[in-house]
Amino acid sequence: DIQMTQSPSSLSASVGDRVTITCRASQSISTHLNWYQQKSGKAPNLLIIAASTLQSGVPSRFSGSGSGTDFTLTINSLQPEDFATYYCQQSYSTPITFGQGTRLEIK
Amino acid sequence: QLQLQESGSGLVKPSQTLSLICAVSGGSISSGYYSWNWIRQPPGKDLEWIGHIYHSGNTNYNPSLKSRVTISVDRSKNQFSLTLTSVTAADTAVYYCARGEGNWGQGTLVTVSS
Repeated sequence: DIQMTQSPSSLSASVGDRVTITCRASQSISTHLNWYQQKSGKAPNLLIIAASTLQSGVPSRFSGSGSGTDFTLTINSLQPEDFATYYCQQSYSTPITFGQGTRLEIK
Repeated sequence: QLQLQESGSGLVKPSQTLSLICAVSGGSISSGYYSWNWIRQPPGKDLEWIGHIYHSGNTNYNPSLKSRVTISVDRSKNQFSLTLTSVTAADTAVYYCARGEGNWGQGTLVTVSS
């Protein structure tokens, strides 16, 4: 199985801040990396597919980059609605695997 | 707009079988080359992919669950289903169905308890 390791596991930030979350795969996954946002009691919401393609309707303050084993999710100018848990997911091979999540909290 | 809705038993006894259905509306389960997935999330824990099926009927399962899982598709009803046998408390989770990466159901909580 491909292991996905996210860092940090939790993060405190303020409205207006820029934050970066990283995700590392245990082997190369090309750009088969997706990012999700999950709010409490809700299903995950796809933000970015294929490492850097923003889903329709997702604000442009979200961006993704990376290839191979190292990936980042950046959120510019944090908004109150961005405080949530973020997961990376590899869709390169089965079993599909997720990172352990990064909880973004208000400072 | 594509919508997915999970349904099934919310309480299952240990050693029994968990059965869930994902009803698809706003699109055909037979169109396109999508994977139809089941994912679960134990309370307060991380996401775990269970497996998926394509409209052709081809399946892939998580090896950690493979011996207990069956995913099938019913094209006539535009739905797909999950069966998990010999459940234990460790199978207590919110179960989600999803099309590919982008379209998820709202999830349904299944509790394993006597």
